[in-house]
Amino acid sequence: AQSVAQPEDQVNVAEGNPLTVKCTYSVSGNPYLFWYVQYPNRGLQFLLKYITGDNLVKGSYGFEAEFNKSQTSFHLKKPSALVSDSALYFCAVRAPESGNTPLVFGKGTRLSVIA
Amino acid sequence: DGGITQSPKYLFRKEGQNVTLSCEQNLNHDAMYWYRQDPGQGLRLIYYSQIVNDFQKGDIAEGYSVSREKKESFPLTVTSAQKNPTAFYLCASSMHQGVESNQPQHFGDGTRLSIL
Repeated sequence: AQSVAQPEDQVNVAEGNPLTVKCTYSVSGNPYLFWYVQYPNRGLQFLLKYITGDNLVKGSYGFEAEFNKSQTSFHLKKPSALVSDSALYFCAVRAPESGNTPLVFGKGTRLSVIA
Repeated sequence: DGGITQSPKYLFRKEGQNVTLSCEQNLNHDAMYWYRQDPGQGLRLIYYSQIVNDFQKGDIAEGYSVSREKKESFPLTVTSAQKNPTAFYLCASSMHQGVESNQPQHFGDGTRLSIL
């Protein structure tokens, strides 16, 4: 069975500094990995995904994520944080050859960017 | 614009009452999903449907029911058997691509259900 861990409930970073939100996964085979962002009282918005190929994936709003197979990680990064990046971030995984089975989500990491 | 519409945005339930949350999508997606979100617990899967007239239980299906009579619609009923229904409910959909589906799920803006 697949699973996702987001080891940090909360990440605080100063505006303009680089940010990292951590995610590790467990799945048989090569995973499909996703990052989402959620603002208060809103649904989840898709940021980026890893399918195959280049380990560095670029997504919306200047975010990127690095896939590391040996460490089974898919950390979300941004070179320079904005106050408007403050939100709840979710990592998700789907096993390959699993069709439209639901994504498995981590518990989320709350990012707070301080001006 | 294409998207997922959830209604109502806020809903209140009385003791012993069933309530139905609406989810409609115009993305022509085959699969639809219902999640429950509680603070600090992330998203928990209630039910999902990969095709019309078919659906499967998720991790926390007890006290909930669904139907999938149309491709566009996947309503969720919270029954009186669900003793702790206060939560934020999210509906999602995704495109079907066969076995190797790497498409993301798209989410509506949720319904917040509270007990009166």
